[in-house]
Amino acid sequence: QKEVEQNSGPLSVPEGAIASLNCTYSDRVSQSFFWYRQYSGKSPELIMSIYSNGDKEDGRFTAQLNKASQYVSLLIRDSQPSDSATYLCAVNMKGNNRLAFGKGNQVVVIP
Amino acid sequence: EAQVTQNPRYLITVTGKKLTVTCSQNMNHEYMSWYRQDPGLGLRQIYYSMNVEVTDKGDVPEGYKVSRKEKRNFPLILESPSPNQTSLYFCASSTGGAQPQHFGDGTRLSIL
Repeated sequence: QKEVEQNSGPLSVPEGAIASLNCTYSDRVSQSFFWYRQYSGKSPELIMSIYSNGDKEDGRFTAQLNKASQYVSLLIRDSQPSDSATYLCAVNMKGNNRLAFGKGNQVVVIP
Repeated sequence: EAQVTQNPRYLITVTGKKLTVTCSQNMNHEYMSWYRQDPGLGLRQIYYSMNVEVTDKGDVPEGYKVSRKEKRNFPLILESPSPNQTSLYFCASSTGGAQPQHFGDGTRLSIL
């Protein structure tokens, strides 16, 4: 099993809809989980951090963490064309020495 | 302004010609890291450093060297670059390995 997996292909959503992204991870003792947004040709930008089971909301973004099932998800409500980007899931590994990243999910918001 | 600065932003060079990509952060972060990003492979960690004079291998360290002589600087060295090291490179820093990482703007490296 890969350390961090994001299996969904490109996601196209109409403007105003909800975009839902999922991520699973392999290390049962992971404690820190992040979602980054990356526009084409740019560096990753942190948009959400979550450390405890449950939901965390920040504006139009909601991160959901389920440690028992080893998955973390990101919801983008009221999607806007500016949300079109690749979203990277990152999870701490190896006793907090490093972050492992998923390959990312491309989101395209259609006006 | 808090930032991670990488130089150069773009570099085209030839096989075997040693090069260094510099990285500097002004946030007094202890943890610094180098990643490469390739299509279909995502972000892969090359090396990381927990503090001055403390470095360790990441997922893909072969062909790279790093040093951490000062807290703010973490250069990436390619002693004998090869075409398979053509990639987009990011330096990042944070307060710890499990904390959010702040990324530089990236260095696009082409090895011919």
